[in-house]
Amino acid sequence: DTGVSQNPRHKITKRGQNVTFRCDPISEHNRLYWYRQTLGQGPEFLTYFQNEAQLEKSRLLSDRFSAERPKGSFSTLEIQRTEQGDSAMYLCASSWDRATEAFFGQGTRLTVV
Amino acid sequence: GENVEQHPSTLSVQEGDSAVIKCTYSDSASNYFPWYKQELGKGPQLIIDIRSNVGEKKDQRIAVTLNKTAKHFSLHITETQPEDSAVYFCAARGGGAGANNLFFGTGTRLTVIP
Repeated sequence: DTGVSQNPRHKITKRGQNVTFRCDPISEHNRLYWYRQTLGQGPEFLTYFQNEAQLEKSRLLSDRFSAERPKGSFSTLEIQRTEQGDSAMYLCASSWDRATEAFFGQGTRLTVV
Repeated sequence: GENVEQHPSTLSVQEGDSAVIKCTYSDSASNYFPWYKQELGKGPQLIIDIRSNVGEKKDQRIAVTLNKTAKHFSLHITETQPEDSAVYFCAARGGGAGANNLFFGTGTRLTVIP
């Protein structure tokens, strides 16, 4: 399968704990995006990378959130000191460049208890 | 920023009938409009897209139309089948140099009744 891969698929954590998610984009895709989706809503943009450079962050991305893409391939999204409001599906997408289609992974569903 | 509105929020059709989902956008500079299908517990799957230099695009039973003047675009599914049941999202991407992400509608839950 050469699609976008996300791990883990599900994560349950206690409030205050840190969590980290991983995204492996489609091979050779230069752009990688993170979105968050809450129940009954469409995905909301969090941040994106062009190769290893993080070029844009949404105001939704509080200082408890950090994303990296160290070698321009896979990316990680870390949430520190999780809050119940962080419970959502975290989606990763990749595209060849800005003008081409974005393909999404299956998402990581985070539940903060 | 861009604001995308989507209607209806739920839609039920009989198998074999057509389904139409409509979206409007606010940013006249937006130039790319994809549609995604999302099944329960899965990520959004791109099913069709249209760019602002085209008024209509068709792929088998799925078609999308774009009216740039009115700033609205629609998804048409003909001869619906039970496997078409899912949540459908429209999205728009701006045309400026700084427009790098998609803005999504709130989704339409389509149910095809066998």
